[in-house]
Amino acid sequence: AQTVTQSQPEMSVQEAETVTLSCTYDTSESNYYLFWYKQPPSRQMILVIRQEAYKQQNATENRFSVNFQKAAKSFSLKISDSQLGDTAMYFCAFTLSSNTGKLIFGQGTTLQVKP
Amino acid sequence: EAGVTQFPSHSVIEKGQTVTLRCDPISGHDNLYWYRRVMGKEIKFLLHFVKESKQDESGMPNNRFLAERTGGTYSTLKVQPAELEDSGVYFCASSHGSRSEQYFGPGTRLTVT
Repeated sequence: AQTVTQSQPEMSVQEAETVTLSCTYDTSESNYYLFWYKQPPSRQMILVIRQEAYKQQNATENRFSVNFQKAAKSFSLKISDSQLGDTAMYFCAFTLSSNTGKLIFGQGTTLQVKP
Repeated sequence: EAGVTQFPSHSVIEKGQTVTLRCDPISGHDNLYWYRRVMGKEIKFLLHFVKESKQDESGMPNNRFLAERTGGTYSTLKVQPAELEDSGVYFCASSHGSRSEQYFGPGTRLTVT
């Protein structure tokens, strides 16, 4: 069975600093996609970043980057220059390339950015 | 362009009652997904429509849950009869293709008392 584990239920960071959110997953498949989603308070969940498992290069989107370690089945999210608007719950998720797109999520990490 | 919308935003019902949740996907998105998050736990997949057809309903908890997507537009998820363990937030998401980005709705918070 495929699982995703986020071991940090809550984290906080000072504005302008860097924070890393952890995620590990388990699957016996070799082709899949990994995602980080963000859900701000009382707002809709949005995609932050996406990584294809076959790509060795880590994905980057502005201040957001990932550290993808396929052998270790680890997919951490680094947020640089944290902003107050980054305060949200962050979900790590993946989907197998062979399936219909259903996402398997972790438990989520609540991140608070402090001024 | 409007995003994914869900109605109601919050529903409180008694055990044994029936509730119907609605999801309106982004126009033109053939793929529609339902997920549920029980308090403090991970978001779990319920089912996936491609147009009006159920592509994968492996996540549906039991036969008290019925999902429909008549005409391949909006979808409804009916819970009948509701049980206490059905409480949680029900999310809907839609995408153009099955490997495309999924856009989520704001969720419906269901409380069964």
